[in-house]
Amino acid sequence: GESVGLHLPTLSVQEGDNSIINCAYSNSASDYFIWYKQESGKGPQFIIDIRSNMDKRQGQRVTVLLNKTVKHLSLQIAATQPGDSAVYFCAENTGTYKYIFGTGTRLKVLA
Amino acid sequence: GAVVSQHPSRVICKSGTSVKIECRSLDFQATTMFWYRQFPKKSLMLMATSNEGSKATYEQGVEKDKFLINHASLTLSTLTVTSAHPEDSSFYICSANSGTNTGELFFGEGSRLTVL
Repeated sequence: GESVGLHLPTLSVQEGDNSIINCAYSNSASDYFIWYKQESGKGPQFIIDIRSNMDKRQGQRVTVLLNKTVKHLSLQIAATQPGDSAVYFCAENTGTYKYIFGTGTRLKVLA
Repeated sequence: GAVVSQHPSRVICKSGTSVKIECRSLDFQATTMFWYRQFPKKSLMLMATSNEGSKATYEQGVEKDKFLINHASLTLSTLTVTSAHPEDSSFYICSANSGTNTGELFFGEGSRLTVL
């Protein structure tokens, strides 16, 4: 089910290191997933997406991995930069354009 | 990418008044828009699905008489918080699908409502 109401976990990463952010989704029938980045006081921004017929997709500095067996998504950010500091949400598509968001993870990049 | 605009970005109102928030798709037509609510340090909670030319579909637990949604055109959906109270203070975010096969959602910048 939805994870609304839980406090955001925080991941602290040294600048230049790789970051891995994890997400457990709820619906085994979901077939499309998106990672969003949200900076303070702003709306979510699209980072990368993946369909259920894939297990890995790469973008610029980001990689999304999908494990349907355990209903798990991860977002990997290479060479993390200060500008990557934000809250990251995974979202699953549960039906026609309707999405459910995960709890989110706050990424803090340490100088 | 597609652009979704929200207005106002911040609004402060007195308890008992009503506040309207607009969501516009600027460069595409959106038959469906979504309204989310977000509490501080929490995830986005889907409130309702706004359908152009028909009634909105509300999620369980969301009062449709409190949160009025109108989707009169393919580029505009409005959320009106009626008789607002301090507990309605929150960050409200709209989103729209660009209509492409990817199903990607584009979000507005959000509207922060503070009810005194």
